[in-house]
Amino acid sequence: SQTIHQWPATLVQPVGSPLSLECTVEGTSNPNLYWYRQAAGRGLQLLFYSVGIGQISSEVPQNLSASRPQDRQFILSSKKLLLSDSGFYLCAWSVVTTGNTIYFGEGSWLTVV
Amino acid sequence: GENVGLHLPTLSVQEGDNSIINCAYSNSASDYFIWYKQESGKGPQFIIDIRSNMDKRQGQRVTVLLNKTVKHLSLQIAATQPGDSAVYFCAENPSRRALTFGSGTRLQVQP
Repeated sequence: SQTIHQWPATLVQPVGSPLSLECTVEGTSNPNLYWYRQAAGRGLQLLFYSVGIGQISSEVPQNLSASRPQDRQFILSSKKLLLSDSGFYLCAWSVVTTGNTIYFGEGSWLTVV
Repeated sequence: GENVGLHLPTLSVQEGDNSIINCAYSNSASDYFIWYKQESGKGPQFIIDIRSNMDKRQGQRVTVLLNKTVKHLSLQIAATQPGDSAVYFCAENPSRRALTFGSGTRLQVQP
């Protein structure tokens, strides 16, 4: 069965510090990978998606970036965090042939102080 | 722009009653819809999906109804239990690229 892991689960970072959230998927090959962000009490906003190694599409211009160094690894980064970057970050994967159902990880809570 | 939205931000029901959560979508190009359940502090979990060539699909205690004429999607939960308390999101895929999510409805089950 497929599983998705993301870490760290919780982090508190000062404004201006860098960020690295990592996500890995097991049990499937060549998945589509996604990073979503969820502000407190709000819906999910798509940040990045990737259909293959090195292929990243950005949905929202901001100070975040994503990379996919391996087939099942997706990394969300920032060089300098802003207060507005606080939120719940969710990694997700899908297989297009199944209708694009997205399966989410457990999320990472980021608080920028 | 086109989006997916929900009629009710909070729904409170008694344990054992049936729940109905509604969702309106506006992108007529969407051909696939999903309902997710999100418990506090966790990632959304897939509940049930439906394709645009169907108008009803049933799962275990859940039913999704799709009305393409009025672009309306609903999730029905039978015999609602305390464990059903969560935020429910509808999602659509207008482009097969990624899902677009609504803002969510909080379901509160009163014992």
